[in-house]
Amino acid sequence: DTAVSQTPKYLVTQMGNDKSIKCEQNLGHDTMYWYKQDSKKFLKIMFSYNNKELIINETVPNRFSPKSPDKAHLNLHINSLELGDSAVYFCASSQDFLKPSSTGADTEAFFGQGTRLTVV
Amino acid sequence: RKEVEQDPGPFNVPEGATVAFNCTYSNSASQSFFWYRQDCRKEPKLLMSVYSSGNEDGRFTAQLNRASQYISLLIRDSKLSDSATYLCVVRRSNDYKLSFGAGTTVTVRA
Repeated sequence: DTAVSQTPKYLVTQMGNDKSIKCEQNLGHDTMYWYKQDSKKFLKIMFSYNNKELIINETVPNRFSPKSPDKAHLNLHINSLELGDSAVYFCASSQDFLKPSSTGADTEAFFGQGTRLTVV
Repeated sequence: RKEVEQDPGPFNVPEGATVAFNCTYSNSASQSFFWYRQDCRKEPKLLMSVYSSGNEDGRFTAQLNRASQYISLLIRDSKLSDSATYLCVVRRSNDYKLSFGAGTTVTVRA
């Protein structure tokens, strides 16, 4: 069973379109993330949710909107796609390592296989 | 200045060699440190956590130097399968955010 799964794996779309990427984790984790990896391979955090609550919202254009219907899912919707949005988007999850009872194992982030988005 | 900086490499080494590289972090409030491994066109995966006293996991040794704000990774007896990009990751205390370096590419040749 895949621990963190995201769909689609590849997405090619035209500028100006709206698209969504879905992410689901079956690890029972409390925290989920979206990261963007650009052509220089730099992984930059976009959003983090803990128990469906938005915790981190980095400087990301308003065209990007995350939605967490439950703590096992964190979807990413992108409006009015631009050429510069082309990148690999990774979803990840981890246990709630800020709990007092957290152990070192709780800090590991498990990543989905990535969604390669190409805007043409 | 980036929060986490790494020498991008590439480090090209023969099988059996030892390779080592560092990562520096800018925020002294950083609390937890990790090395992740990312194979080409794959997702990052945790290689090992880095503890204050340094730690080993098989052929991999990680060190932390808080005074100089850097961590290091050493790979002994390199295997072809060690070829990958190694990502340095730090987390501040009381913060969910994992900050990644841009990665150090290692290529092990036969």
